[in-house]
Amino acid sequence: ILNVEQSPQSLHVQEGDSTNFTCSFPSSNFYALHWYRWETAKSPEALFVMTLNGDEKKKGRISATLNTKEGYSYLYIKGSQPEDSATYLCASFRSYNTDKLIFGTGTRLQVFP
Amino acid sequence: DTAVSQTPKYLVTQMGNDKSIKCEQNLGHDTMYWYKQDSKKFLKIMFSYNNKELIINETVPNRFSPKSPDKAHLNLHINSLELGDSAVYFCASSTPSGQGNSPLHFGNGTRLTVT
Repeated sequence: ILNVEQSPQSLHVQEGDSTNFTCSFPSSNFYALHWYRWETAKSPEALFVMTLNGDEKKKGRISATLNTKEGYSYLYIKGSQPEDSATYLCASFRSYNTDKLIFGTGTRLQVFP
Repeated sequence: DTAVSQTPKYLVTQMGNDKSIKCEQNLGHDTMYWYKQDSKKFLKIMFSYNNKELIINETVPNRFSPKSPDKAHLNLHINSLELGDSAVYFCASSTPSGQGNSPLHFGNGTRLTVT
């Protein structure tokens, strides 16, 4: 994988459902993986920054895991709520000195009441 | 208080004009960025500045010229605007510089429309 890829592109779930989506990134020269939440008409907000293989982070009902050897990260949302509706972006930072994050196109989540 | 603020929020202008977008952050961050959200919704980095010094210039036409008068400001000047420049431009900041383990803090974006 040369780019950051996210799947699915969009997702519709019912309130209360749990859901997850995937970020695939180049595993070579990995340094960090970022997740952002981007609500319509707002700016992206950082959820997690992960650096260690096997790392798992949690913020409320949202959690993320990281596999740097195979180059993927999962984002999980437990008991989705309508306010979780947003685009979830991941971004890979591959090289220490270039301050360069490569973003995926995001997974657009809509939670219906 | 807004942490990263961009002005204007909307900018409509004609081809050939020169325009500027301003960005300021009050977070005390060392590094500031300009990102462009293209037609496919990708966020692509354009420039990165660390303490007023250009770090990244990602094959952006030289009609785009960033200016950083101090580490809290990174403005984007665009000469001879073209239709293809229409996009949403996001400013962001982070600290410490040079380390990918610092999250970006984004401004609210400037929607540029070139007619």
